[in-house]
Amino acid sequence: DGGITQSPKYLFRKEGQNVTLSCEQNLNHDAMYWYRQDPGQGLRLIYYSQIVNDFQKGDIAEGYSVSREKKESFPLTVTSAQKNPTAFYLCASSIQANYGYTFGSGTRLTVV
Amino acid sequence: QQPVQSPQAVILREGEDAVINCSSSKALYSVHWYRQKHGEAPVFLMILLKGGEQKGHEKISASFNEKKQQSSLYLTASQLSYSGTYFCGTGNTGNQFYFGTGTSLTVIP
Repeated sequence: DGGITQSPKYLFRKEGQNVTLSCEQNLNHDAMYWYRQDPGQGLRLIYYSQIVNDFQKGDIAEGYSVSREKKESFPLTVTSAQKNPTAFYLCASSIQANYGYTFGSGTRLTVV
Repeated sequence: QQPVQSPQAVILREGEDAVINCSSSKALYSVHWYRQKHGEAPVFLMILLKGGEQKGHEKISASFNEKKQQSSLYLTASQLSYSGTYFCGTGNTGNQFYFGTGTSLTVIP
């Protein structure tokens, strides 16, 4: 079955560490996205990519980095520069920009 | 640029109807609707494109009024499974896409 796989489901990070969240899709979608969700809030865009080897900053890109070396994969690195990284992170993909999104099951990141 | 949803929260009894509204300050090209259950990922419900169309999905339907820059989601004869947070997402003519802040819907027996 096609879909998006995010791993890990839960992640704990010590202050000052970088961590990488995995996102893999087998839907053959061109566009991929990373969103951050805080309790009781909507989804805020971190980064998006419409094609391999190209990506754009979203509204809250500071302290994050991404790569898009393969169509199927769009990993997100949360760097030590991100001052408040504790949140629920969602990866999504769509056939092309602004079409219906398919979301992964999310990664819940906690700083300890 | 983030669309505004109303109401923020609503509680219904099974079988009652509800309407969730989504308004934007920008000219819209498309509107998406998603439902998210607690602790889970959002699930795509439907997309409406410029042209004032209305779509349906079982007992859930939506309309898109591009002149008013707004969309409404209609839930009829609600079921317990409809509980969750509903998000609209709007694509504007500047090729930007934003999610609303969500509407919490609780259906009780």
